[in-house]
Amino acid sequence: DAGVTQSPTHLIKTRGQQVTLRCSPKSGHDTVSWYQQALGQGPQFIFQYYEEEERQRGNFPDRFSGHQFPNYSSELNVNALLLGDSALYLCASSFDPGPLGDTIYFGEGSWLTVV
Amino acid sequence: AQTVTQSQPEMSVQEAETVTLSCTYDTSESDYYLFWYKQPPSRQMILVIRQEAYKQQNATENRFSVNFQKAAKSFSLKISDSQLGDAAMYFCAYRGAYDQGGKLIFGQGTELSVKP
Repeated sequence: DAGVTQSPTHLIKTRGQQVTLRCSPKSGHDTVSWYQQALGQGPQFIFQYYEEEERQRGNFPDRFSGHQFPNYSSELNVNALLLGDSALYLCASSFDPGPLGDTIYFGEGSWLTVV
Repeated sequence: AQTVTQSQPEMSVQEAETVTLSCTYDTSESDYYLFWYKQPPSRQMILVIRQEAYKQQNATENRFSVNFQKAAKSFSLKISDSQLGDAAMYFCAYRGAYDQGGKLIFGQGTELSVKP
């Protein structure tokens, strides 16, 4: 049973460019969340997708957008990249309406470096 | 808004010894879940242990146990018989019980090193 998979693993972008990160949830999961983890910090919630809609959003600008596809996979898009966007981007999946304490599974993340 | 605080940026323990990692949180909610996640160099978050706020009994998973003090809003992790493989970043996390989105709020993390 494949867990949460993310791609690409590492990428380098230039300021002002746009980036797309991809996530496939764990089999049987229908909810995908994205987190940003800056170096030496804890992950920060960006947003969550359920039934192809953004259900909840953290304190991130509109430059951060996403999408969920009918097969539950998801994309995170970041426009007009800033140096401060350099971070590890983590995807997490879960099943809704599972128990709210149900385990959330994380992928290994995508390392984004903006130069 | 809920917050999670880990006041120990780094901790060190001798192999086979016991170490306790601290976590405090702030919330106005009465029902919630608390978690400890381990993040090894591979960067994948791995769930270590989970505590439901309505349960008074502290959760235990093999060598890992928690001390949950609801009134004090404290949630510490105790690792017994520490092993070299326990070396990692440890994050305390909060999730509201009625938050349908299941958003996790993380602390800043504690880096644990294990000395042979």
